Amino acid sequence: AQKITQTQPGMFVQEKEAVTLDCTYDTSDPSYGLFWYKQPSSGEMIFLIYQGSYDQQNATEGRYSLNFQKARKSANLVISASQLGDSAMYFCAMRELMYSGGGADGLTFGKGTHLIIQP
Amino acid sequence: SQTIHQWPATLVQPVGSPLSLECTVEGTSNPNLYWYRQAAGRGLQLLFYSVGIGQISSEVPQNLSASRPQDRQFILSSKKLLLSDSGFYLCAWIGGRTEAFFGQGTRLTVV
Repeated sequence: AQKITQTQPGMFVQEKEAVTLDCTYDTSDPSYGLFWYKQPSSGEMIFLIYQGSYDQQNATEGRYSLNFQKARKSANLVISASQLGDSAMYFCAMRELMYSGGGADGLTFGKGTHLIIQP
Repeated sequence: SQTIHQWPATLVQPVGSPLSLECTVEGTSNPNLYWYRQAAGRGLQLLFYSVGIGQISSEVPQNLSASRPQDRQFILSSKKLLLSDSGFYLCAWIGGRTEAFFGQGTRLTVV
């Protein structure tokens, strides 16, 4: 079974609108972290935001916020006031922290969402 | 702060030729290092990880190999490239709970 599911292969959004990118995850590890990355056409992976499984508050970083619903195993990324420069691939990733060991706790990625911001 | 250097940025290689991609890390010691591959339009697949010099673990069987000759150096190699090896290769450093950084990536095209 997929550990990270991103159900939106592509999205078109008008500039200045808010965007929600969906991410659901599957793990039995009680301790885990969730990451969102932006990948522009250049290919670099740009870290956006992190949410730990024990964090009480939803993470926020500037225009980015993470809507973390633990019971539903959902970690949606919200981009407020979208800009043309937000057009890119967006990846959700998870790191399992307790059951993995010896460096095996790499990130598991979803397949990504291609976001296109239209003027 | 941590910096990850990856080179070359772009590579076009014929089928059957060897491969060597290098990744070096600055600003940290004894890092956990990872090689990921991204096929066109897809997510990232973990290929290898290393927790220290000479220690390599493989996640996916393939004709690629990895080596960790120095603490901050991680190398991805192949003796004979296949067409299916084409893709975007990313080196990553994953440290504390919230830290996961990537290099700029190498776009490999096997022709």
